[in-house]
Amino acid sequence: NAGVMQNPRHLVRRRGQEARLRCSPMKGHSHVYWYRQLPEEGLKFMVYLQKENIIDESGMPKERFSAEFPKEGPSILRIQQVVRGDSAAYFCASSLDRGLDYEQYFGPGTRLTVT
Amino acid sequence: AQSVTQLDSQVPVFEEAPVELRCNYSSSVSVYLFWYVQYPNQGLQLLLKYLSGSTLVKGINGFEAEFNKSQTSFHLRKPSVHISDTAEYFCAVSERGGSNYKLTFGKGTLLTVNP
Repeated sequence: NAGVMQNPRHLVRRRGQEARLRCSPMKGHSHVYWYRQLPEEGLKFMVYLQKENIIDESGMPKERFSAEFPKEGPSILRIQQVVRGDSAAYFCASSLDRGLDYEQYFGPGTRLTVT
Repeated sequence: AQSVTQLDSQVPVFEEAPVELRCNYSSSVSVYLFWYVQYPNQGLQLLLKYLSGSTLVKGINGFEAEFNKSQTSFHLRKPSVHISDTAEYFCAVSERGGSNYKLTFGKGTLLTVNP
C-alpha cells in the first residue's frame, strides 16, 4: 500500500506566478489535511478537506490560497501570485476517518521556493 | 491557541547511549500530545500519542514519553539508541474537542546517532 504521495517534491516559482501542489492520499483515505512549515517554525495546520468538501479552512491565509479535493484525483493546494513569504515546506496528510483513533499519515512534503 | 517548544534543535549521541528529546507546550485548553518521526525523504510517522490515562506512554521502536501536566512537558526517551534512529523528531499537540485533528508542531529536533 503506497503511502501519501506529494508532487512535485521541489518547486521553484518567480514572484507573481502560480504554484500548484498535489497530494494523493493513501488508498481508501477520504480525509486530507494540509500543513505549512515556514522557515525556522513548526508545521501549522492550514485546511482539512473531505471529498468535494472543505471542512475547516481556519488556517488558510485569506487571500491567494485555495484548496480542493475533487471526487476523482488528488487534492490540490493552489497559491496564486506567489510572494517570497510563501517559501516553505507544504505537507499533506490523509486519514481513513476523522477522530483520534484514525492516524494522520503524512507525505514527504513539497518544498516551495519563490525567487 | 497552542504552541510547542522543542528546546534542542540538534542532539548528537553515540550508539547504545540513552537519549531524551525535550518538548514543552503552551495551551489555554486541555490538549492531546504526539511525537512524530521523519526519516530522510519520507513523511512524518506517528511514534506515540497521549490521550488520557497513564502519563507514561510507550510507542514504536522502543520509544516512550511521559506527560507532566504541572510542567507542561512531554519529553521523549529511549534507553539505548541505534544508528537507525537518526531522524528528525517532532512534538505536536491538538486541542481536546471537535477540532482535535488540527495538529500544531514544534520546530523539530534532529537526532544524530554516531557509531
